[in-house]
Amino acid sequence: GAVVSQHPSWVICKSGTSVKIECRSLDFQATTMFWYRQFPKQSLMLMATSNEGSKATYEQGVEKDKFLINHASLTLSTLTVTSAHPEDSSFYICSARAGARPQHFGDGTRLSIL
Amino acid sequence: GQNIDQPTEMTATEGAIVQINCTYQTSGFNGLFWYQQHAGEAPTFLSYNVLDGLEEKGRFSSFLSRSKGYSYLLLKELQMKDSASYLCAVSLTTSGTYKYIFGTGTRLKVLA
Repeated sequence: GAVVSQHPSWVICKSGTSVKIECRSLDFQATTMFWYRQFPKQSLMLMATSNEGSKATYEQGVEKDKFLINHASLTLSTLTVTSAHPEDSSFYICSARAGARPQHFGDGTRLSIL
Repeated sequence: GQNIDQPTEMTATEGAIVQINCTYQTSGFNGLFWYQQHAGEAPTFLSYNVLDGLEEKGRFSSFLSRSKGYSYLLLKELQMKDSASYLCAVSLTTSGTYKYIFGTGTRLKVLA
């Protein structure tokens, strides 16, 4: 069964809306959670790395004020896309890992901004 | 910089064997992972290698040569459901934190 839960699966909203995506590790404590974005027929691009209780580390080119990440506990991280615009439409995927174990991915959130 | 290369597309026949190669040039390497991703879905973990050699898991095997910066994923007895993208990911340690860098993925089509 799924070890990482992500929701919502789909979001369709108007330009200017802020959207929050949740990522939960279900049966393990995730020391690190990752947020990726994937455009059609492209690979996963890491946006940020999130460690519980500390600020997220953003990859170059990712706006930290636009993509707010909170990692409040060892089982929950959230990504908020603030004032979303059509160019933010994408497939957003979280993953979680414990220690050096492989990352496990959530089911992803398809975000469409009209 | 960090670089991972995979073929873009491959085609194979049901029941056959296919090998998907991955080459990488990275610093801070501490493991290589293979994921399967069906269209519109999130990746699922297949296998990983930390040391040189072959890891076998049922119909899937993965090989690593750290000195050559090379890995491959071997799929045996191909089934139609194996049609998917296969992502090679390198785990890196940077400033004490772990992260993955993904290749662009190889789209595998299995034909009847």
